[in-house]
Amino acid sequence: AQSVTQLDSHVSVSEGTPVLLRCNYSSSYSPSLFWYVQHPNKGLQLLLKYTSAATLVKGINGFEAEFKKSETSFHLTKPSAHMSDAAEYFCVVAGGEYGNKLVFGAGTILRVKS
Amino acid sequence: DGGITQSPKYLFRKEGQNVTLSCEQNLNHDAMYWYRQDPGQGLRLIYYSQIVNDFQKGDIAEGYSVSREKKESFPLTVTSAQKNPTAFYLCASRWGHGVQNTEAFFGQGTRLTVV
Repeated sequence: AQSVTQLDSHVSVSEGTPVLLRCNYSSSYSPSLFWYVQHPNKGLQLLLKYTSAATLVKGINGFEAEFKKSETSFHLTKPSAHMSDAAEYFCVVAGGEYGNKLVFGAGTILRVKS
Repeated sequence: DGGITQSPKYLFRKEGQNVTLSCEQNLNHDAMYWYRQDPGQGLRLIYYSQIVNDFQKGDIAEGYSVSREKKESFPLTVTSAQKNPTAFYLCASRWGHGVQNTEAFFGQGTRLTVV
């Protein structure tokens, strides 16, 4: 079974409109969950993380994500897209049965149209 | 400045040659990781190390080797046994041996091309 599923390989939005990047995970325990962003030919930067505290997590650059255990989801949102948000986004699970590994989803490429 | 340094940024290798990618961190992190990135496949774990002189295979270890002689360094060797080595390679480190909820910090990557 896929450990982390990012439901959309590509998402396209207009500047100023909301962003929704979807992530579902599989875990028998309470995992740690992360969202990372990658600009072309660069390393990854942490946007936010969930580690069993508040279920609504706020990150950098106006992004936030909500942990929903009943739905095994950790979707990433932003109220208003900016051109600089165009990048690839990765949902990551760790802990529980994954131990010290960080397991990545396949990524979602976000395109922002002017 | 603290961080992770990968070198070189671009690397070209002839078929049949081994090549070593460097990864150095000055964050005093215990755990270090190597990932391979191919378009549309996310990041796949090659090897990881929790402490000095110890490392474990990830999901795609065949054709790769690592060493962890110092806490700061975790070099990756791509051997001639790796059938499709052209890819973007990312190194990461993470605080805490056995601590599972800390985030990883990434280097800027090395793009390896076999010519």
